[in-house]
Amino acid sequence: NAGVTQTPKFQVLKTGQSMTLQCAQDMNHNSMYWYRQDPGMGLRLIYYSASEGTTDKGEVPNGYNVSRLNKREFSLRLESAAPSQTSVYFCASSSIGTGDYEQYFGPGTRLTVT
Amino acid sequence: GQQLNQSPQSMFIQEGEDVSMNCTSSSIFNTWLWYKQDPGEGPVLLIALYKAGELTSNGRLTAQFGITRKDSFLNISASIPSDVGIYFCAYSGAGSYQLTFGKGTKLSVIP
Repeated sequence: NAGVTQTPKFQVLKTGQSMTLQCAQDMNHNSMYWYRQDPGMGLRLIYYSASEGTTDKGEVPNGYNVSRLNKREFSLRLESAAPSQTSVYFCASSSIGTGDYEQYFGPGTRLTVT
Repeated sequence: GQQLNQSPQSMFIQEGEDVSMNCTSSSIFNTWLWYKQDPGEGPVLLIALYKAGELTSNGRLTAQFGITRKDSFLNISASIPSDVGIYFCAYSGAGSYQLTFGKGTKLSVIP
């Protein structure tokens, strides 16, 4: 099992450009999450998808959109990148509904917006 | 809003020493999780705690869910260089599968 995979690993964008971060999991989990990590801030939830076909905002959703493409895949889109979106982005998945709150993370995408 | 404090923010210790870090909150939670993040990697789950008072070990790591349900502790015994990294606590509240993370404890081990 690869677990949670993310592409790309690194990306540099100019202000105003758009891009989509891809995430896939092979653990048959029903829930998926997108976080951003900034120095000294821990991980902050951007969006999550409790199950296929549903998405909800997290703590810091402004400037982002998400798509739960199927049970395996959950993408994060930046429509018009801003320097404030320079961060490391992590995707995670979990199997809610079983009393299990444990989330498993991908390796991250390091995004720089100039 | 809910306050989550993780301390210390950073620690420098000698190899072989024991380490203790903790998280405290202003609210009651159902779940405490502890993660470790190596440089350039995603967080990896170390220990999950689901009951107040629960004490769980994973090798040299021991974590406890505080009896008041407002805090949790992580201890590392006999530290080694590969323990270096950032340790995060995370909690989940009643009726929610969302996790809220602490700001992390950065651990450095001096050989």
